[in-house]
Amino acid sequence: EVQLVESGGGLVQPGGSLRLSCAASGFTFSTYSMNWVRQAPGKGLEWVSYISSSSSIIYYADSVKGRFTISRDNAKSSLYLQMNSLRAEDTAVYYCARVPYNSGWSFEGWGQGTLVTVSS
Amino acid sequence: QSALTQPASVSGSPGQSITISCTGTSSDVGAYNYVSWYQQHPGKAPKLMIYDVSNRPSGVSNRFSGSKSGNTASLTISGLQAEDEADYYCSSYTSSSTRGLFGGGTKLTVL
Repeated sequence: EVQLVESGGGLVQPGGSLRLSCAASGFTFSTYSMNWVRQAPGKGLEWVSYISSSSSIIYYADSVKGRFTISRDNAKSSLYLQMNSLRAEDTAVYYCARVPYNSGWSFEGWGQGTLVTVSS
Repeated sequence: QSALTQPASVSGSPGQSITISCTGTSSDVGAYNYVSWYQQHPGKAPKLMIYDVSNRPSGVSNRFSGSKSGNTASLTISGLQAEDEADYYCSSYTSSSTRGLFGGGTKLTVL
C-alpha cells in the first residue's frame, strides 16, 4: 500500500525557516516524480513544487520561487521542502503526493498533511 | 497565473447526474491533456478521481468520468450517491512559469 507521511510542520515567526519531510513507503520511491501541494485554512488547493525521480527537473510555483527548495533522498525514500523567508500567506497544510507512473501530471497517494503556521 | 475557474457549488438528487466545469486557457487546459480531478471530504486529504482528462485510477467508481473541449474540462458524476458530497478540484499543467494550477474548488451537495 502506498503511504506518504508528512512531518516537520509547526508554528514559526514571519521571516523564519522550516523544513518539511515526507516519508514514503509501499512503492519504489526512486522511480516516481513527487510534488508538494498546500491548502490554506478553509481555502482551496495550491500546487507548490515538483521534483522528478532523479532530481534533474524541478519546478516551483511563482509564489514560493526563491524562498522554497525541494529535494529528495532516494536512498531514504524521503522528500523534503526547505522553506525560508516564511510569510503569513504560507500558512497552510502541506501535502506530498506522487505523480502516477502512467500520468503526465497529476497527484496521487496524498499523505495526511502537516500544518505550517506563520505568525508572530 | 490565475487559478482555473470552477463553479462554487453544484447540487443534485440521489441517482441524478451532475457536471462540474473547469475553465482555463490555451496555455493550460487547452494545451495539454493533463487535467485531473480530486475529491476532498471535510478534514481529509484529497483523492485523485480522474487523471489525464479522462482516465480513472484503479478503485475509482465508473460513475466518475472526465472530458475536455477546448479550454474547458468537465467532471461528470452519474448515479449520485450521498457519499459523493464533497469538494471537487480540477488541476492542469501549464506552460507558464508556475507549471501547476488548481481550480478554486466546487462544493457538491447531494440533496
